[in-house]
Amino acid sequence: DAKTTQPNSMESNEEEPVHLPCNHSTISGTDYIHWYRQLPSQGPEYVIHGLTSNVNNRMASLAIAEDRKSSTLILHRATLRDAAVYYCILNNFGNEKLTFGTGTRLTIIP
Amino acid sequence: GAVVSQHPSRVICKSGTSVKIECRSLDFQATTMFWYRQFPKQSLMLMATSNEGSKATYEQGVEKDKFLINHASLTLSTLTVTSAHPEDSSFYICSARKAPGGTGELFFGEGSRLTVL
Repeated sequence: DAKTTQPNSMESNEEEPVHLPCNHSTISGTDYIHWYRQLPSQGPEYVIHGLTSNVNNRMASLAIAEDRKSSTLILHRATLRDAAVYYCILNNFGNEKLTFGTGTRLTIIP
Repeated sequence: GAVVSQHPSRVICKSGTSVKIECRSLDFQATTMFWYRQFPKQSLMLMATSNEGSKATYEQGVEKDKFLINHASLTLSTLTVTSAHPEDSSFYICSARKAPGGTGELFFGEGSRLTVL
């Protein structure tokens, strides 16, 4: 699977939107973009995933660049419970395994 | 609620003993489960793919005789750390999908923190 690049850490104020970037310049046409997050001392949890079009769900929105070489996870209104490490992962269709990178540690400032 | 559950959540053992960690899919059958290991301040590292009714597939560098995986039923996979040593102390996490194919959500257990004294 192609590699992703994320900032090591980000900070955001509570109740404000958060935009978490991810670069994946070597993405292939069949790579899905997945986002997971891991709260302290817990297993990761699914946030969202997409292929080409922007996606929305109850947790977040995923904005995918037209050339698919980058994407942005958007938390519309951050809460303290959103403090976690966010992982952007590319996964090729049919590949069951997920390979985690280093992720972005998001700190929410009250 | 949780759809993948691990037990125990924490375990402390003496060096040289073996420890078994269970991973259960609670409301679905999983022919495949994945085991990860995470050291402090680091990312998750995939250790192996557990296949129901057949041998596990281990990632490069993971000792299969050290980390025994058994997937005897469609809802249960176990990871046994044999002859544990302090360097095996880590956070072990299992995961599974409700449907095969790789594009769907991967559900993770709560993790099992192993401390070897």
